[in-house]
Amino acid sequence: AQKITQTQPGMFVQEKEAVTLDCTYDTSDPSYGLFWYKQPSSGEMIFLIYQGSYDQQNATEGRYSLNFQKARKSANLVISASQLGDSAMYFCAMRGNTNAGKSTFGDGTTLTVKP
Amino acid sequence: DTGVSQNPRHKITKRGQNVTFRCDPISEHNRLYWYRQTLGQGPEFLTYFQNEAQLEKSRLLSDRFSAERPKGSFSTLEIQRTEQGDSAMYLCASSQRGGGYNEQFFGPGTRLTVL
Repeated sequence: AQKITQTQPGMFVQEKEAVTLDCTYDTSDPSYGLFWYKQPSSGEMIFLIYQGSYDQQNATEGRYSLNFQKARKSANLVISASQLGDSAMYFCAMRGNTNAGKSTFGDGTTLTVKP
Repeated sequence: DTGVSQNPRHKITKRGQNVTFRCDPISEHNRLYWYRQTLGQGPEFLTYFQNEAQLEKSRLLSDRFSAERPKGSFSTLEIQRTEQGDSAMYLCASSQRGGGYNEQFFGPGTRLTVL
């Protein structure tokens, strides 16, 4: 079984500052992928960043980076230089290679960027 | 480049009525997933198809739910005798393959309200 835990229901950040959204996971799969999605109020899930369990380096995509600590089973998302448009719900998710690719999601963190 | 589309975007129905949702995946994607998302929670896996074969169903999918993917293209999700607890966002996603990393592209979702 897989489980994703996001312990921060809501976070606030000042515009232009960096923010870290926490995610811990549990799985028995030896190989898996970790994902972060953004869900604005419109409801669409927008893919942000991916980290493979065997990747040696932390993933980065523009202002998004993933702080992957495999031994601690954590995959925190760091957003640098926050923008007002970053205000949304953020979900951490994982997929194992032995579970047919279905995703397990956390309950999300609502990020509010203050001007 | 067309993404995943879902219709209708919103559906309001009375308890006891049947509803059907449609998902059109990205054309070359052979995997199609259905998720359900209730307010304040992350999406939960319901079922998935590889081509036209429905390979897995979650225990969340009661006997009132049925999904099809004829000809391996679009998919439909039908809920019979709707209940108020069925009120949720129903998300569809598609990918080229399964496994830990194969990016799943999500549609905009169908928001169901059961009165």
